[in-house]
Amino acid sequence: EAGVAQSPRYKIIEKRQSVAFWCNPISGHATLYWYQQILGQGPKLLIQFQNNGVVDDSQLPKDRFSAERLKGVDSTLKIQPAKLEDSAVYLCASSPQVAGFKQFFGPGTRLTVL
Amino acid sequence: SQQGEEDPQALSIQEGENATMNCSYKTSINNLQWYRQNSGRGLVHLILIRSNEREKHSGRLRVTLDTSKKSSSLLITASRAADTASYFCATDLTVTGANNLFFGTGTRLTVIP
Repeated sequence: EAGVAQSPRYKIIEKRQSVAFWCNPISGHATLYWYQQILGQGPKLLIQFQNNGVVDDSQLPKDRFSAERLKGVDSTLKIQPAKLEDSAVYLCASSPQVAGFKQFFGPGTRLTVL
Repeated sequence: SQQGEEDPQALSIQEGENATMNCSYKTSINNLQWYRQNSGRGLVHLILIRSNEREKHSGRLRVTLDTSKKSSSLLITASRAADTASYFCATDLTVTGANNLFFGTGTRLTVIP
């Protein structure tokens, strides 16, 4: 079974530039999550999708972050404009169920904002 | 904060020894999960224990849950160098109507060959 795919693996940008990350979840998984993991910390949920609908985006900084999941499969997370404090690893995860189930994580995208 | 807190923050042991990591949390949970993260990689799910369970085993892993104390522990027996990683507990909570995982800051385990 193929795992969660993410690209790019690494990205370096200047502050105020924009950046986009892509995630392809495990086939058949209805729920998709984006997390931000700052160095030395645990992952923090940014947004959760159920199929192509948003379940929870309460921790997404909506002034600069946006995410979509078209057709309930792939998802993109965008930051515009980026700030220095956005430097982190962005992890995508998927799960076959909304509640009470383990999550499968991708390898992450390491973003450095200079 | 809704996140769990792991203790210790870092742990260094010899290969073959047991490693114990603890997690404390603040609110009622649906379940508690443990994940492992190797350096530069994504997280890998290890074990899930539901709020009505007290102990669970998976291979060399043993997890306990004490909901009255709002704490959990992860025991890795007969550790191997390959167990070197960061370990996170994650509490499954229902917040704003959605089930979400809240991760702690992790325990960094080093197993010395």
